[in-house]
Amino acid sequence: AQSVAQPEDQVNVAEGNPLTVKCTYSVSGNPYLFWYVQYPNRGLQFLLKYITGDNLVKGSYGFEAEFNKSQTSFHLKKPSALVSDSALYFCAVYGGATNKLIFGTGTLLAVQP
Amino acid sequence: GAVVSQHPSWVICKSGTSVKIECRSLDFQATTMFWYRQFPKQSLMLMATSNEGSKATYEQGVEKDKFLINHASLTLSTLTVTSAHPEDSSFYICSADEQYFGPGTRLTVT
Repeated sequence: AQSVAQPEDQVNVAEGNPLTVKCTYSVSGNPYLFWYVQYPNRGLQFLLKYITGDNLVKGSYGFEAEFNKSQTSFHLKKPSALVSDSALYFCAVYGGATNKLIFGTGTLLAVQP
Repeated sequence: GAVVSQHPSWVICKSGTSVKIECRSLDFQATTMFWYRQFPKQSLMLMATSNEGSKATYEQGVEKDKFLINHASLTLSTLTVTSAHPEDSSFYICSADEQYFGPGTRLTVT
């Protein structure tokens, strides 16, 4: 079955430090992987996606993610966190037999000044 | 980039009344629109998928007679919550072609 796991409910990082938000997936066939960010009481904003090609994907606001097929992971990263990056981050996968976008449970990123 | 709007952004209604939420793709035509609901501090749960001119496909456990979806054109889909109850209070988000999300509608049923 198609699924996405975000093992951390919350990630805390100091401003200026690198950040990583973890995501692993399970899907038959080639996955399409997405990251979205959600600010309080707002809809989702697209950050980046992996469809095919280079395993390192660069997205909006300085974020990037690395597709690792052997580890079935698609972790979100940023070299230097900003306080304004504090938000809820969702990983999602599309593919397999269901042809639906399945979301992870979300990870709250808190960047301390 | 592609823009999806939702109206209203928030609504308060009394129990037993119906509420209509609009989702529009502003600068492109969306073949498929998706409706999600999100409870506080939880992930998005897909409610239904709608294609222009055809009946919506509802996810298991979602009452199609309670959550009426109409996809009248390639730029407009509506979700009507009929006979709303307090447990229907939630954040409803639409998506066009699965990549472009609306800003969401906060529904509170009193």
